Amino acid sequence: DQQVKQNSPSLSVQEGRISILNCDYTNSMFDYFLWYKKYPAEGPTFLISISSIKDKNEDGRFTVFLNKSAKHLSLHIVPSQPGDSAVYFCAATSRSSGYALNFGKGTSLLVTP
Amino acid sequence: DAGVIQSPRHEVTEMGQEVTLRCKPISGHNSLFWYRQTMMRGLELLIYFNNNVPIDDSGMPEDRFSAKMPNASFSTLKIQPSEPRDSAVYFCASRKGDYYNSPLHFGNGTRLTVT
Repeated sequence: DQQVKQNSPSLSVQEGRISILNCDYTNSMFDYFLWYKKYPAEGPTFLISISSIKDKNEDGRFTVFLNKSAKHLSLHIVPSQPGDSAVYFCAATSRSSGYALNFGKGTSLLVTP
Repeated sequence: DAGVIQSPRHEVTEMGQEVTLRCKPISGHNSLFWYRQTMMRGLELLIYFNNNVPIDDSGMPEDRFSAKMPNASFSTLKIQPSEPRDSAVYFCASRKGDYYNSPLHFGNGTRLTVT
């Protein structure tokens, strides 16, 4: 049972434009959300996170938006760069789940020059 | 900081053989996680340890899978006997502290192929 869903397996964006990656979750107990970035043959690396008490968190070119009522979050990358081409995983967790992160299946982003 | 170290990077074995994957977490990290990545299921949690104690192994698919953490700097994931459907990339990750919202640090994974 997938509690975190990324319904777009892939996304292609031109360099300089905005990339928007979406994520939906079903468990209302989730109260912390993270985005990870993964290059081929490497492990995922932490990118940005947001607590459920916020609706936006920004770090440089990366912004995560959270809509709790819709159980939806999105990652915006502005401006997109070719080096951003990677697989992006959305993850969620809750205090009640202890230590575990629940991941989506990932969205493969391709930024073209 | 050497990061999380996993070995081997690639493992090819025949069905029925025993496979052992190894992980060295980042020094000072006291939580360790094993994840498996497949196309169908994405990244799924198999088991995690806190202070070397298994906390939740409900993600371990079958009794053929077992994991140990004999000390703070080493963990193994064993599959015996292995089956073709076990083919996947297995990631180990670690985290410092008991903070549920702390990011995980992943190793580069072991790509397992069972023929």
